[in-house]
Amino acid sequence: EVQLVESGGGLVQPGGSLRLSCTASGFTFSNSWMHWVRQAPGKGLVWVSRISNDGSKTDYADSVKGRFTISRDNAQNTLYLQMNSLGAEDTAVYYCARRYTSGSFYYFDYWGQGTLVTVSS
Amino acid sequence: QSVLTQPPSASGTPGQRVTISCSGSSSNIGSNTVNWYQQLPGTAPKLLIYNNNQRPSGVPDRFSGSKSGTSASLAISGLQSEDEADYYCEAWDDSLDGCVFGGGTKLTVL
Repeated sequence: EVQLVESGGGLVQPGGSLRLSCTASGFTFSNSWMHWVRQAPGKGLVWVSRISNDGSKTDYADSVKGRFTISRDNAQNTLYLQMNSLGAEDTAVYYCARRYTSGSFYYFDYWGQGTLVTVSS
Repeated sequence: QSVLTQPPSASGTPGQRVTISCSGSSSNIGSNTVNWYQQLPGTAPKLLIYNNNQRPSGVPDRFSGSKSGTSASLAISGLQSEDEADYYCEAWDDSLDGCVFGGGTKLTVL
């Protein structure tokens, strides 16, 4: 059974930092591109970042570029998101998701349950 | 303001057919495939349609997708109460070099 389990969310003050983790099982993590997607309370889904299967390529949404860093440890089947200089606009549930790729099409086939990050004083 | 445009709400009665539109541009829908996700209240999104019109195993054939030019649509026939959820379209955007989502459509079964 495929599982993606996020952890590390919580309450953090504005300007603070937090590191999210996503532990994967049930599929070959080291072959998979992984993404982070967030959802502010009552709002829609917003793509945050992605990382290639070997960690050599990363991309970020403009809203988090320079503040967030995505990384992975394939030996531990774990994806990370280091979040710095957090602001109220970063308050959201953060989901990790696997991006399935087949030729010319790709989609998120597995999602974690999400971890809530609240930025507030 | 989402890159892909969806109506914020849709509704129908049990048994009816409803469609949800998703409008984009040449850099996203116009040049890449479209996926649809269903999000039930309090849960993570679930893949509903991939590659414009393909259903993953386990998704009822009441759900169908289509794409034309820079727009896509999701159709749900034989509407059921358990279809009440938020629906999101998604595609890769070549200009932004990232995934883009629609703002989501809240489907209400009357």
